[in-house]
Amino acid sequence: DSGVTQTPKHLITATGQRVTLRCSPRSGDLSVYWYQQSLDQGLQFLIQYYNGEERAKGNILERFSAQQFPDLHSELNLSSLELGDSALYFCASSEIHLPQHFGDGTRLSIL
Amino acid sequence: DQQVKQNSPSLSVQEGRISILNCDYTNSMFDYFLWYKKYPAEGPTFLISISSIKDKNEDGRFTVFLNKSAKHLSLHIVPSQPGDSAVYFCAASRVGGSGAGSYQLTFGKGTKLSVIP
Repeated sequence: DSGVTQTPKHLITATGQRVTLRCSPRSGDLSVYWYQQSLDQGLQFLIQYYNGEERAKGNILERFSAQQFPDLHSELNLSSLELGDSALYFCASSEIHLPQHFGDGTRLSIL
Repeated sequence: DQQVKQNSPSLSVQEGRISILNCDYTNSMFDYFLWYKKYPAEGPTFLISISSIKDKNEDGRFTVFLNKSAKHLSLHIVPSQPGDSAVYFCAASRVGGSGAGSYQLTFGKGTKLSVIP
C-alpha cells in the first residue's frame, strides 16, 4: 500500500460528459502529480501541483483541468469526453522531490 | 518523440538467474533515473533510483547501472524470483542543481518480466 488513495477505481461514462477523479496523497506529501496511461502507451505526465499551486504542465488537454485543495487532496476534471480519453489515470505524490509514490489508478471507460 | 525507450517488451528468465532490463534515453538534460515495478490492477511501485553523479546503485537484489555517455541504464535483479514477475518501467527526470525542477517523470513503455520457476 503506497498510501496514495484514488477514487473511484472504475468509471464508465459517455462521450461529451464530464467526470472528476480524486486523489488523496500520502500523509505529509506536498506534491501531487497526475499521469495518463493509454493503451500501448507508457505513463504520460499531465500536471503537477505543489502545496496548492500548479508547478508544471505536461501534455494536458485544454478540456482537462486539475486543482489541489488546502487539505492537499487533488482532483482531475475531464470534460467533453471523447472515446480517446479512455485510459488509466494515475495520481502520484511526493514529499518534495523524488521518488513519487503512485496510487492504484482510476480506469476511465468512455462508451 | 519518445525520450525514454525500453526496447524489449518482454523478458523471460529462469528462477535464480539474473534478470537484466535495459533502458535508453535521448534527453541529455535528464539527471535522475528511477525504476518502477507494476503488477496488474495496481499502481507502479518505486524500486530503485540513481542520480547522474553516480554510475551504480544497489539495494538488496536490485542494482541499477548508469552509462551517461551511452545514455543507457540497466536494472539487474539477482537472483530472480517468481514474485519479481511484473512490468518494469524506467523513468527519467530533470531535477537540476537548484532544486527548482518539477520532478515530473518521463516513462518508457515498460518491459514485462516473467520469472519461470
